[in-house]
Amino acid sequence: GNSVTQMEGPVTLSEEAFLTINCTYTATGYPSLFWYVQYPGEGLQLLLKATKADDKGSNKGFEATYRKETTSFHLEKGSVQVSDSAVYFCAQNYGGSQGNLIFGKGTKLSVKP
Amino acid sequence: GAVVSQHPSWVICKSGTSVKIECRSLDFQATTMFWYRQFPKQSLMLMATSNEGSKATYEQGVEKDKFLINHASLTLSTLTVTSAHPEDSSFYICSARVRGSLSNQPQHFGDGTRLSIL
Repeated sequence: GNSVTQMEGPVTLSEEAFLTINCTYTATGYPSLFWYVQYPGEGLQLLLKATKADDKGSNKGFEATYRKETTSFHLEKGSVQVSDSAVYFCAQNYGGSQGNLIFGKGTKLSVKP
Repeated sequence: GAVVSQHPSWVICKSGTSVKIECRSLDFQATTMFWYRQFPKQSLMLMATSNEGSKATYEQGVEKDKFLINHASLTLSTLTVTSAHPEDSSFYICSARVRGSLSNQPQHFGDGTRLSIL
C-alpha cells in the first residue's frame, strides 16, 4: 500500500546549521509529494511540492528533490533560523479523484540561537 | 491566495453537548474539503472527505453519526461533533482543494480548531 516514513524527531539544531529531514515513501503509482510545516497552535502550511520524478521543490531556502530510484523526498536547508522551529510533515497524495493525502508522523525541529 | 478559514479556533464545552466547526474557503471555491484529526504530538488522521452537494466519505473507524459533515456550498463545510465526550477532545483541521484543480495539487489548510470537552 501507500505510506510515508519520516525520520523521528525531535531535531535540535543551532542557528545557521544545516538541516536534513529524511522522508521515504511507498506508492503503487507516481504520487505528488509535499512538505507541510505546522507552527505551534496552527494548521498546516504548504512548504514545497514536487509532482514528478527529478522535480525539485523549493521555498524559503528549503529544498527537496523527488527521487524515484530511492523513493525519497528529503527536506534540506543550508542554514536554519530560530523562526524555522516547527513540525514538518512529509506527505504524498495517493491519487484517485479526491487526491487524498497520506502524512508522515511529523518531525519536530527546534532551532536554538 | 487560497486562504482557508476555520472557526472557532478554540472551544471548551461540557460533555454531552454538540459542537459545530466551520471551514470556509475565502478566496476560492472548493468542491472537495477534508477533515482531519490530530492527537498531541502525532500526525494528521483523515476523518472524512466532504464533497459539495453530496454525502461525505468517511474513513474506516470514523463514526458517521458522531461526526456529522455538511458541505452545503462551494465555500463552506461544517463538522459537527455530536454529544461530545472527553475522548473527542482533539485538534481538528480542515483543508480544501481549489475547484477544478488536479487531484495532485496541494490542499490548503485551515488553522485548526482545538476542542476540549470537560
